[in-house]
Amino acid sequence: DGGITQSPKYLFRKEGQNVTLSCEQNLNHDAMYWYRQDPGQGLRLIYYSQIVNDFQKGDIAEGYSVSREKKESFPLTVTSAQKNPTAFYLCASSRGQGMGNTEAFFGQGTRLTVV
Amino acid sequence: KQEVTQIPAALSVPEGENLVLNCSFTDSAIYNLQWFRQDPGKGLTSLLLIQSSQREQTSGRLNASLDKSSGRSTLYIAASQPGDSATYLCAVSNNNDMRFGAGTRLTVKP
Repeated sequence: DGGITQSPKYLFRKEGQNVTLSCEQNLNHDAMYWYRQDPGQGLRLIYYSQIVNDFQKGDIAEGYSVSREKKESFPLTVTSAQKNPTAFYLCASSRGQGMGNTEAFFGQGTRLTVV
Repeated sequence: KQEVTQIPAALSVPEGENLVLNCSFTDSAIYNLQWFRQDPGKGLTSLLLIQSSQREQTSGRLNASLDKSSGRSTLYIAASQPGDSATYLCAVSNNNDMRFGAGTRLTVKP
């Protein structure tokens, strides 16, 4: 089936560790996004990428890093510099701007907890 | 920077009622607006996408309108059902990114 797959569903991190969240899509979409959602709050943009090998910081990029080496994949690394990483992380993709229908699709999310 | 606001933050209605959720945005230079549904602990499910050149979109009991000049969109849900209970989010896209409101948490009581 076509869609976006995030893994793992649940992730636990110790203080001082880096962890990487996976996001893969087989929709042939150019644009991919990472959002963070805290309880009772809306989605805040961490990073986005409109094309392979290029990405831009969103509103809360500090303590996070990304790469976009392949069109299908947009992994997010939560570094030890992120002081409050416990949250629900959502990945999305769309065809990209200037390409007609740009409906965005989301993965099922990864819940990250610091232990 | 684009700011998206959704009103009300929470809404509780009896089954069968028609209801309206509101979304406003500060920068009218948008590419499209999308309404999503989110169930607790889950990802987002796309409901309706309105391109900037369109005024409304319909899908089943859902109708979304867009007034770009005034920076407003509404999501109309007809004949609400308990299964409609969820958080509804709107998102606006410009040339580069997609910005979300905080959502409206809807409860439909049997």
